[in-house]
Amino acid sequence: ETGVTQSPTHLIKTRGQQVTLRCSSQSGHNTVSWYQQALGQGPQFIFQYYREEENGRGNFPPRFSGLQFPNYSSELNVNALELDDSALYLCASSPTPDREKFFGPGTRLTVL
Amino acid sequence: AQSVTQLGSHVSVSEGALVLLRCNYSSSVPPYLFWYVQYPNQGLQLLLKYTSAATLVKGINGFEAEFKKSETSFHLTKPSAHMSDAAEYFCAVSDGAGGFKTIFGAGTRLFVKA
Repeated sequence: ETGVTQSPTHLIKTRGQQVTLRCSSQSGHNTVSWYQQALGQGPQFIFQYYREEENGRGNFPPRFSGLQFPNYSSELNVNALELDDSALYLCASSPTPDREKFFGPGTRLTVL
Repeated sequence: AQSVTQLGSHVSVSEGALVLLRCNYSSSVPPYLFWYVQYPNQGLQLLLKYTSAATLVKGINGFEAEFKKSETSFHLTKPSAHMSDAAEYFCAVSDGAGGFKTIFGAGTRLFVKA
């Protein structure tokens, strides 16, 4: 049991809207990473937070942003949604940035 | 820069047969390597990991993988496939200590025939 939870499970938005996805990490895990997994593809790294600071980012535009809170919860915010943002969004927590990641079940975002 | 290539987007085996899923990596630093499994509509579950200890790594559900530096490979095997092994498998690489992101391959879907 990983202990990582995500909400909501599914979400439908329209193009141009904004969305916030939430993740609750395992207790004691100071690192959270977010991944985008398009249909039929492997997860793509969006960014990582360590002790509430972003400390790594993949090839995603600034409209993808995040927050990490002291209570081991975190958010992924996406502004100005585009059709290609439709994907499964996974968060993963780990005790430190270089340690094994534990993944949540994901949030399925559909942009119409 | 790091990258992962999984050879074969689909692999089909008969129940009881050997499972072999191929993964090659590229890394400018000693890599940390992982295999994850994903069942439909679920997140990723770690099967096993290589972190510069033993080159033959044993994981859960009877899977194992061997790190071969000369071949830059980290293939996943299981001696006897079970119907419940049908899933998507992802190989991943990280630069470990001091590194921050895990790079995933495109995945291999394993089909198990009765």
